Amino acid sequence: ETGVTQSPTHLIKTRGQQVTLRCSSQSGHNTVSWYQQALGQGPQFIFQYYREEENGRGNFPPRFSGLQFPNYSSELNVNALELDDSALYLCASSLLKDTGELFFGEGSRLTVL
Amino acid sequence: TQLLEQSPQFLSIQEGENLTVYCNSSSVFSSLQWYRQEPGEGPVLLVTVVTGGEVKKLKRLTFQFGDARKDSSLHITAAQPGDTGLYLCAALLYSGAGSYQLTFGKGTKLSVIP
Repeated sequence: ETGVTQSPTHLIKTRGQQVTLRCSSQSGHNTVSWYQQALGQGPQFIFQYYREEENGRGNFPPRFSGLQFPNYSSELNVNALELDDSALYLCASSLLKDTGELFFGEGSRLTVL
Repeated sequence: TQLLEQSPQFLSIQEGENLTVYCNSSSVFSSLQWYRQEPGEGPVLLVTVVTGGEVKKLKRLTFQFGDARKDSSLHITAAQPGDTGLYLCAALLYSGAGSYQLTFGKGTKLSVIP
């Protein structure tokens, strides 16, 4: 148990739809990172939020966006879903933004049909 | 091109055997991390190696960081079915403006057969 919880655990959407994924970070952690893990691949960095502001972004298009709330929980939003967006979306929290010690949630499995 | 190359991609062995998996790069890193991910779960940090040539042990798992800090290996002695999972290496990279991101390899999928 890492103390990081994600919801929903599984969901199915169709192309063009929008999705919101949620993450509650470990108590006391002010930094949340989001990763996309396609089948058979390692996690790919989407972006990081530190104290409610985006603090770094990977190679993902603008239709991937996020929020971090005052309690440090976070959302990942994906608009105009494409088939290739099907993946496991992982949220990870950390105590500091410049440390690599991440605590991952179990992920949200998104299937786009 | 993949920054971190992991090999082998897949490994299936019998319980009790030893194995080594590798994480290689042409870049120099200040540290490397190893994670294990079981099906349906997120990755869990096993170890961070920082010093070139460093060896760390975690029960039956031995991690080594290359002298030049470009590569790392994970050796498992007397593998057990509970070792089954995806082993990922990762490096923390500075991406500007005070931002860091953890970059992962594709992983080695290990199956230990009873």
